[in-house]
Amino acid sequence: EVQLVQSGTEVKKPGESLKISCKASGYSFTNYWIAWVRQMPGKGLEWMGIIYPGDSATRDSPSFQGRVTISADKSLTTAYLQWSTLRASDTAIYYCARYGETTGKGADYWGQGTLVTVSS
Amino acid sequence: DIQMTQSPSSLSASVGDRVTITCRASQSISSYLNWYQQKPGKAPKLLIYVASSLQSGVPSRFSGSGSGTNFTLTISSLQPEDFATYSCQQTSSPPHTFGQGTNLEIK
Repeated sequence: EVQLVQSGTEVKKPGESLKISCKASGYSFTNYWIAWVRQMPGKGLEWMGIIYPGDSATRDSPSFQGRVTISADKSLTTAYLQWSTLRASDTAIYYCARYGETTGKGADYWGQGTLVTVSS
Repeated sequence: DIQMTQSPSSLSASVGDRVTITCRASQSISSYLNWYQQKPGKAPKLLIYVASSLQSGVPSRFSGSGSGTNFTLTISSLQPEDFATYSCQQTSSPPHTFGQGTNLEIK
């Protein structure tokens, strides 16, 4: 069974750093792209970027470039999303999702989401 | 970036109704259009991929059509569990942008 299990709720202060995780199981981790998607409170879905764990190739959204880093550890079958300097505007739920056999087929499995709250 | 525009933003309908949601891309995306359903407090769920292919396990009352820049999601006969937010996403080229979502409410 394919599963993506994300790390738990985070409460941080502005200026702090953070790394959240997405643990994959039930499939060949290195052969499928993983996406990160932001959902701000009461808002729609925003695509942040994707990573191919097989070679760590990434495709980032210009809207998030320079603010977040997407990475993956093949040995741990885990993808990561990290910030070096959080802002209040980073408060959101962050989802990881696995694309199908090709990116064209959309994201067929999703993590449960990680709530990140940034507040002084 | 390719912009995705959904209409309507919200929709009220009754159980048994036929409902259509549209999604327009700012440039041609061939058939690289996916539809998701999201319920409050839950992760999105893939319904339709590459415009018209039904994801495994999704009821056949959901269907998708279109190519190029204009796409539709149709629910043939609304069921109580279908009241949710629906979002389109293009996967033609990164960034794989989403539409703003359509909130389907009970009339």
